[in-house]
Amino acid sequence: DIVLTQSPATLSVTPGDRVSLSCRASQSISNYLHWYQQKSHESPRLLIKYASQSISGIPSRFSGSGSGTDFTLSINSVETEDFGMYFCQQSNSWPFTFGSGTKLEIK
Amino acid sequence: DVQLQESGPDLVKPSQSLSLTCTVTGYSITSGYSWHWIRQFPGNKLEWMGYIHYSGSTNYNPSLKSRISITRDTSKNQFFLQLNSVTTEDTATYYCARGTTATDFFAYWGQGTLVTVSA
Repeated sequence: DIVLTQSPATLSVTPGDRVSLSCRASQSISNYLHWYQQKSHESPRLLIKYASQSISGIPSRFSGSGSGTDFTLSINSVETEDFGMYFCQQSNSWPFTFGSGTKLEIK
Repeated sequence: DVQLQESGPDLVKPSQSLSLTCTVTGYSITSGYSWHWIRQFPGNKLEWMGYIHYSGSTNYNPSLKSRISITRDTSKNQFFLQLNSVTTEDTATYYCARGTTATDFFAYWGQGTLVTVSA
């Protein structure tokens, strides 16, 4: 199975900061990498598909980059509503796998 | 807009079977896409379990392959998860979700249902 390693596990930030979350794959997955946000007691919400493609209805401050094994989710000017968990997921090969998540918290 | 809703027992005894239903509204599960089950363990780890394609084909996570079955009732626009021989390690929040036709990513999720395995 492809292992996705997310870092850091926890990121403490101040509203207005620009942040970068990392997801590293154990082998090349091209651009078959997707990002989700999950707030407490809610279902995950798709933020970015295929590493860098935007999703309708998602604020433009969210962007993704990367290919191969290294991927980044960036949030330009974090807002209070952005705090929660972020997961990456690969669809390059079966079984689909998720990263262990990064918790974005208020400093 | 498409909506998914999980239902089923919230407590299952060890060695028994876990059975959940996902009711889909706003889109026919035979018209397109793939229909998945994903679970989230305490501590937040997410595990993809398997799917049923709109064509009726299925695909399962090999880690569960001997215990899992995903079926559907097209007349009710529902699909189902059965997980056999459960243990306490199957305690999790279970989500149904819609994938793409190529199955890639999950744009729509149910609200999730917590299933506890305990005697």
